[in-house]
Amino acid sequence: AQKITQTQPGMFVQEKEAVTLDCTYDTSDPSYGLFWYKQPSSGEMIFLIYQGSYDQQNATEGRYSLNFQKARKSANLVISASQLGDSAMYFCAMREPNTGNQFYFGTGTSLTVIP
Amino acid sequence: DAGVIQSPRHEVTEMGQEVTLRCKPISGHDYLFWYRQTMMRGLELLIYFNNNVPIDDSGMPEDRFSAKMPNASFSTLKIQPSEPRDSAVYFCASSLFGQQETQYFGPGTRLLVL
Repeated sequence: AQKITQTQPGMFVQEKEAVTLDCTYDTSDPSYGLFWYKQPSSGEMIFLIYQGSYDQQNATEGRYSLNFQKARKSANLVISASQLGDSAMYFCAMREPNTGNQFYFGTGTSLTVIP
Repeated sequence: DAGVIQSPRHEVTEMGQEVTLRCKPISGHDYLFWYRQTMMRGLELLIYFNNNVPIDDSGMPEDRFSAKMPNASFSTLKIQPSEPRDSAVYFCASSLFGQQETQYFGPGTRLLVL
């Protein structure tokens, strides 16, 4: 079974609008971390936001927020007030410290911001 | 602070040649990861180390690939002999231990095998 599932290969959003990128995960470990990364066309991988499995509140970092629904095992990324520079690939990832500590990545979502 | 350093940034080689990719993790990080990214297969974990010891190399495609971490500040990924299907971007990343610790990626090495 896939550890991380991103079902949206591509998304479009109008500039200044909000967009939600979906991510579901699969784990039986009560302790885990969820991460989102951005990969612009230049190729580098940029860490955006983290959510811990025991965190009571949704994580926020500037225009990024993580809609964490533990019972549904979803960790959707919300980008508010989209900018042209947000056009990139976005990857969801999970880390399980009790089972090796590696990172599991989804297949990514390509976001295009339309002016 | 310096981030993860990878060299070379670009490599063009001919089929059958040996290729060595290098990585210097962030000082103090005890985990090091090697990934390969292609359009067809996406981002794949090849191998990762903890305190210089390989923990899981199940992602290494075949015996042509090998990775070493002789000390905490240096790792290599070697392909011998290289094949055109090895063409990809190879990322090195490092992190600290802990579920809340993100990994920091190097800029990647773009490998083209002709």
